[in-house]
Amino acid sequence: GNSVTQMEGPVTLSEEAFLTINCTYTATGYPSLFWYVQYPGEGLQLLLKATKADDKGSNKGFEATYRKETTSFHLEKGSVQVSDSAVYFCALTGTASKLTFGTGTRLQVTL
Amino acid sequence: DSGVTQTPKHLITATGQRVTLRCSPRSGDLSVYWYQQSLDQGLQFLIHYYNGEERAKGNILERFSAQQFPDLHSELNLSSLELGDSALYFCASSARDRTYNEQFFGPGTRLTVL
Repeated sequence: GNSVTQMEGPVTLSEEAFLTINCTYTATGYPSLFWYVQYPGEGLQLLLKATKADDKGSNKGFEATYRKETTSFHLEKGSVQVSDSAVYFCALTGTASKLTFGTGTRLQVTL
Repeated sequence: DSGVTQTPKHLITATGQRVTLRCSPRSGDLSVYWYQQSLDQGLQFLIHYYNGEERAKGNILERFSAQQFPDLHSELNLSSLELGDSALYFCASSARDRTYNEQFFGPGTRLTVL
């Protein structure tokens, strides 16, 4: 079946540091890939998505590129802010539209 | 605000009881998904409805059931509750049921079984 593997957290960074959260996946066919963010006490919000190989999703300074050859969709941001502190989930849809999530990576950004 | 509403926000009940969680999708969205978020299992897909019909089932226990009504709101029924059912239950909606459609999540219902 489909699966998503994310790097273990928590990730602690100083403000303005570079962020990478690794995500790899296993899926049949051509999945669509997503990053969702969950702020404390809230539901999930879509951060970005990519629906085919080599697509780059971007939003609010975050980027991720769909790499079919390495089955990866790593999340990056050049300069994180305290307000980016949250839990980040990598997810995919395969042949069905249900989302399969990774375990989530907690990011804490300090001043 | 995603436009997806869920009620109640919090629910505290006892083992063996039955509860109903309600979800109203975004205006115009035909698909409703239910997910469970727990510390040990993470985020797990439960069930998907599209325009009133069940489309897919995931890791949903036989004690759980759901339906989508003609006005497109959905209810998730949990019965014979056990301590392990304590979790956050999210509803999400999307316009259609395509794999590339974005899913919009509600704020969740936190269920505590004592």
